[in-house]
Amino acid sequence: DSGVTQTPKHLITATGQRVTLRCSPRSGDLSVYWYQQSLDQGLQFLIQYYNGEERAKGNILERFSAQQFPDLHSELNLSSLELGDSALYFCASSPRQGWTTEAFFGQGTRLTVV
Amino acid sequence: AQKVTQAQTEISVVEKEDVTLDCVYETRDTTYYLFWYKQPPSGELVFLIRRNSFDEQNEISGRYSWNFQKSTSSFNFTITASQVVDSAVYFCALSEFNFGNEKLTFGTGTRLTIIP
Repeated sequence: DSGVTQTPKHLITATGQRVTLRCSPRSGDLSVYWYQQSLDQGLQFLIQYYNGEERAKGNILERFSAQQFPDLHSELNLSSLELGDSALYFCASSPRQGWTTEAFFGQGTRLTVV
Repeated sequence: AQKVTQAQTEISVVEKEDVTLDCVYETRDTTYYLFWYKQPPSGELVFLIRRNSFDEQNEISGRYSWNFQKSTSSFNFTITASQVVDSAVYFCALSEFNFGNEKLTFGTGTRLTIIP
């Protein structure tokens, strides 16, 4: 158990809908990262938050947004969903900014858009 | 730009054989971090090792060992006496030490199958 909790584990929704994925980092970790794993794109970095502030952005679509709350949990919002958004979405956390320490991933949320 | 190449898409070996997974990286930074993660069939990403660019010592952890060679930009992973539980997809990843660009770049992964 990595200590990073992601909910829900599975999500099935229709095209055009909006969903929210939740991530609770390990106790004491300030950084949260979101990654998308799809068959054609592999593991892609989406966005990072550190202590409530956005720190880095990767290949995140405009239809997607995220935030980190004062209790340090994070949510990834995906809207106007398309079939191609079907993927495994991972959250990772680490104590500080950057990957200068180990970062541990949650079990992922498998999103299926039908 | 940083890049990680795992040229071996799939490997199958018979149980108890040794197997080496290759990882070659590209970066312009002198300070960077290399990682290996394991993704078993259940889907989670399991952290295996993190190595910084200034530490070229090889590391051994049980049946796992890692060979870091800056001269060839490689960070290879060897499993000795493989077991069926080692069957998984293994990812090599790279992070440059660059605040504000905290991306961890993954390779495409190597699917390892251990045949009983």
